[in-house]
Amino acid sequence: QLQLQQSGPGLVKPSQTLSLTCAISGDSVSGNVASWNWIRQSPSRGLEWLGRTYYRSKWSNDYSVSVKSRITVNPDTSKNQFSLQLRSVTPEDTAVYYCARATRGLIDYWGQGTLVTVSS
Amino acid sequence: DIQMTQSPSSLSASVGDRVTITCRASQGIGNSLAWHQQRPGEVPQLLIYAASTLQSGVPSRFSGSGSGTDFTLTISSLQPEDVATYYCQKYDAAPLTFGGGTKVEI
Repeated sequence: QLQLQQSGPGLVKPSQTLSLTCAISGDSVSGNVASWNWIRQSPSRGLEWLGRTYYRSKWSNDYSVSVKSRITVNPDTSKNQFSLQLRSVTPEDTAVYYCARATRGLIDYWGQGTLVTVSS
Repeated sequence: DIQMTQSPSSLSASVGDRVTITCRASQGIGNSLAWHQQRPGEVPQLLIYAASTLQSGVPSRFSGSGSGTDFTLTISSLQPEDVATYYCQKYDAAPLTFGGGTKVEI
């Protein structure tokens, strides 16, 4: 059974970097079928897909245009996990952040969510 | 990027009613359309994929239809446990865009 365990701070100061990690059990971050995604949810933006990392003979990433200049999603094969870094955050980045697995693009499993508040 | 538009944004119906939610893509996406259910305070869960295929364990009162740009989620007989917000999501290619959601109340 797939489990996605999120970790990271719930409070980040404006202009700093939001960092979250998603530990995977029951699947491999290096698998050739799944992609590993970050999604956020806020009252103003609804559900917003942020980006993903996946392995198909080599590592690749896709990012939302809305955050492309500020985001990095990285795999960590040694720990079977992946991470989100969102730089130069503002209060508009306050949201519940989810990691999620997608199979052939279909999001089929969500992490438990982490509320991240951007405030000084 | 392809935009996903859901309607209505909210609805209220009675137990036993038939409920229909629509999702429209700004360009054709074949049948690469999923529906997710998010009950209050919970994590979203996959309900339907490939426009009409029920995820394992989903009650048969849920059904999906459509292809190309127009899709529908139907609850044939609304139950109290169906109170939730429903989101469509396209997955033909990145970005994996969601619709704005439809809040279903009783």
